[in-house]
Amino acid sequence: DAGVIQSPRHEVTEMGQEVTLRCKPISGHNSLFWYRQTMMRGLELLIYFNNNVPIDDSGMPEDRFSAKMPNASFSTLKIQPSEPRDSAVYFCASSLRTRSGLAGEQTSTDTQYFGPGTRLTVL
Amino acid sequence: AQKITQTQPGMFVQEKEAVTLDCTYDTSDPSYGLFWYKQPSSGEMIFLIYQGSYDQQNATEGRYSLNFQKARKSANLVISASQLGDSAMYFCAMRERGFQKLVFGTGTRLLVSP
Repeated sequence: DAGVIQSPRHEVTEMGQEVTLRCKPISGHNSLFWYRQTMMRGLELLIYFNNNVPIDDSGMPEDRFSAKMPNASFSTLKIQPSEPRDSAVYFCASSLRTRSGLAGEQTSTDTQYFGPGTRLTVL
Repeated sequence: AQKITQTQPGMFVQEKEAVTLDCTYDTSDPSYGLFWYKQPSSGEMIFLIYQGSYDQQNATEGRYSLNFQKARKSANLVISASQLGDSAMYFCAMRERGFQKLVFGTGTRLLVSP
């Protein structure tokens, strides 16, 4: 089965340019997450969607960042305009969110599976 | 407050030996999940193992096992019979009830030598 697919794998751009990162989640998964990994801040969640609806975007650094999920099989993360401090690896992850068995208990099927990441360099 | 703490920035082990990677966590929620991910030099994040706070037994997946000590709030990853391909960064992560996001530790770099 295909895992999470991200494109491009590498992106080099100049400051001020628009950057669009793309993600195709695992078929059948209903939750999608965008993470960013940097040396200084480690792995941090930017935004996530349930059933294509944005649920929590509190991790989005500023208005220059936006994310969309027009359908269950595609999501984009856009940075406009890009800045050198946006240089990082951006991961997309997906999971199958199910109702808990016991009240409040989380099930292993909520495991998040990550894509290969997009390494973004803004010059 | 740091939710996930990985105190070992680097670990060394010889091939075929077992190694334990430490992870402690902080939460007041009785319901939570703990995850370990592997990140090889190629960069992808690979899910290894999951432990639920209500699980009665420690999780195991092949050569990976989780030493879960709830009272101590620790969830150490044990890799048995290390292989050269186990050389990678290893991240511990937690998800609390009501939240879907994963909170990651800073990672431990494991180097397996021949």
